[in-house]
Amino acid sequence: EPEVTQTPSHQVTQMGQEVILRCVPISNHLYFYWYRQILGQKVEFLVSFYNNEISEKSEIFDDQFSVERPDGSNFTLKIRSTKLEDSAMYFCASAGLNTGELFFGEGSRLTVL
Amino acid sequence: SQQGEEDPQALSIQEGENATMNCSYKTSINNLQWYRQNSGRGLVHLILIRSNEREKHSGRLRVTLDTSKKSSSLLITASRAADTASYFCATDTGRRALTFGSGTRLQVQP
Repeated sequence: EPEVTQTPSHQVTQMGQEVILRCVPISNHLYFYWYRQILGQKVEFLVSFYNNEISEKSEIFDDQFSVERPDGSNFTLKIRSTKLEDSAMYFCASAGLNTGELFFGEGSRLTVL
Repeated sequence: SQQGEEDPQALSIQEGENATMNCSYKTSINNLQWYRQNSGRGLVHLILIRSNEREKHSGRLRVTLDTSKKSSSLLITASRAADTASYFCATDTGRRALTFGSGTRLQVQP
């Protein structure tokens, strides 16, 4: 069964460093998302991406964040200068054209020291 | 309360019992979805109910939607220890970016 894959599964970084989280969405999907979940808290929407551009972003997704689809398969989230409060699990998701169902990856745990 | 708030926050039942979780939301929706998350894992889609539907079934899952009360419920019948997980409702207001609730942690005791 097709699945969304994310790398790395866990990354530890120093405050102020740049981090890139990678995702390979399901191949025929057209909508791509990043969500984050701080430990024990709710799943928060960051950004959605469609037709090679951001379609919606939340207040969390400030200038420190960016997304890119550099080729036909990868979808990346970059955090330019990490802060302690960026520590969270980051989930990538994708969706097809005609369904509202999101398919999630297993997440990338980011720890900022 | 925020869009998509579940109650109870935590629920502990015995295997074989039914588990009911509720979700309330504030704005008009296109559809409402329920997801499951095992500890430390990704979210798995369970069921989607559209705003013009009132009830939907999938295996041991039954979802209801009351748009006049802006609420939904998820019923898991004949629960199993393997149903232990967190369950989240998520609302789609038509912009295709889901808003998740805080979740209900379900513990099913064998």
